[in-house]
Amino acid sequence: NAGVMQNPRHLVRRRGQEARLRCSPMKGHSHVYWYRQLPEEGLKFMVYLQKENIIDESGMPKERFSAEFPKEGPSILRIQQVVRGDSAAYFCASSGGQGADQPQHFGDGTRLSIL
Amino acid sequence: GQSLEQPSEVTAVEGAIVQINCTYQTSGFYGLSWYQQHDGGAPTFLSYNALDGLEETGRFSSFLSRSDSYGYLLLQELQMKDSASYFCARRGTGGFKTIFGAGTRLFVKA
Repeated sequence: NAGVMQNPRHLVRRRGQEARLRCSPMKGHSHVYWYRQLPEEGLKFMVYLQKENIIDESGMPKERFSAEFPKEGPSILRIQQVVRGDSAAYFCASSGGQGADQPQHFGDGTRLSIL
Repeated sequence: GQSLEQPSEVTAVEGAIVQINCTYQTSGFYGLSWYQQHDGGAPTFLSYNALDGLEETGRFSSFLSRSDSYGYLLLQELQMKDSASYFCARRGTGGFKTIFGAGTRLFVKA
């Protein structure tokens, strides 16, 4: 499967725990985007990364959230000390370039539930 | 601002044609993209318009008018499987951040 792979598909955490969401981009893609989606709402941009660099994190909360895209391995979105309001679907997308005309290919998402 | 406005839902019958509109604010505008998302699924890219005019891809077409700050997605010969949410999207200032509209939920009836 050469598509964008996200895991886990579903993640349940208790308040105060850490959540780690993984994303392997499409083969050959080095541009990764993370989005958050609440039910019946649109996708909210969180962060855009290239290999080993955070390019734009303007949509990510300043506290508890971090993202990385190491030279080797998947991109990781990390949420520390989760709260009920973090419950959402988190989607990762990748593209082959950073131009506005470049289509973004999405993974199936991680549904995060906070107990 | 750089927000996008689209209707929250549209209903149409199988075999019909439906148009989903999207208006945007002009600040830092590059072009308009459209994505489809079925319930519980991943968004999938449909089209991108940078220039004025109509882009056709099979049953789906997308149109842009930069002078009117407006675009639309046209779906022809509607099928039940077209029932989904449709999002318009654009880049934000600087060209990295992608901003999505709130989505239009399309219901196709038999």
